[in-house]
Amino acid sequence: AQSVSQHNHHVILSEAASLELGCNYSYGGTVNLFWYVQYPGQHLQLLLKYFSGDPLVKGIKGFEAEFIKSKFSFNLRKPSVQWSDTAEYFCAVTSWGGFQKLVFGTGTRLLVSP
Amino acid sequence: DTGVSQDPRHKITKRGQNVTFRCDPISEHNRLYWYRQTLGQGPEFLTYFQNEAQLEKSRLLSDRFSAERPKGSFSTLEIQRTEQGDSAMYLCASSQKSSGETDTQYFGPGTRLTVL
Repeated sequence: AQSVSQHNHHVILSEAASLELGCNYSYGGTVNLFWYVQYPGQHLQLLLKYFSGDPLVKGIKGFEAEFIKSKFSFNLRKPSVQWSDTAEYFCAVTSWGGFQKLVFGTGTRLLVSP
Repeated sequence: DTGVSQDPRHKITKRGQNVTFRCDPISEHNRLYWYRQTLGQGPEFLTYFQNEAQLEKSRLLSDRFSAERPKGSFSTLEIQRTEQGDSAMYLCASSQKSSGETDTQYFGPGTRLTVL
C-alpha cells in the first residue's frame, strides 16, 4: 500500500529564511506527486505537481519541489519565505494511470514570523 | 466562483442522528472523490465516482455511510446513526479525466461534522 511521510510536523521560520519540507513516499511503481497548501480558514489548494519529465517542478508563489526517485522523495523548497506563507502543507501521492486516489501525508504546519 | 462547493459548511448533530452532505463539483468534471480529515491528519480517501458510477470505496466507509451521484453531477454523502468517531472534516474533490494524463483533483471547502 502507498504511504507518505512528512517528517516535520511543525516548522517555525522568520521571514526571508529558506524553507525545505521533507516528503518521502512508499510505492514501488510509477507515481504522481503533489503538494497542496491550506491557508488559515481556506480550503486545500494545489501548490505544484509532478507527473513526468524534469524532476524539478515549479509551482505558484515561488515554491518548487524536486523528485528524487532513488530516495523516494519529493521535498518542497522556497528560497525566502513570507509571512503570508503561514499555512499547512500536505504532500500527496497517487499511482500513475487508472483509479487515482490521493494518499496524503500528515501535513506540516508552517509558521512564519514577521 | 466556479470551484467545488460543499453544503453545509458546518453540521452539529447528536449521536444516533442521520446527516447528509452535498458536494457540487466543478462543472463538467467527471470524477468526484470524498475524503475525510481528522485533527492532525491528512485527508483520507473514502470513495470515488466516475460520472454516476461509484467505482471505489475505502474500508473506512462502514455500512453506515452511503454516497450517491445520481446524475453524474452533484454528490451526496449520508451517514446514518452517527457516532462521535464520525466527527471530522468531510472533503469533496473533483477532476476531469484526460486521455493519457493523470488528473488533478480540486478540493472544496469541506463540511465540518461534530457529533455530540
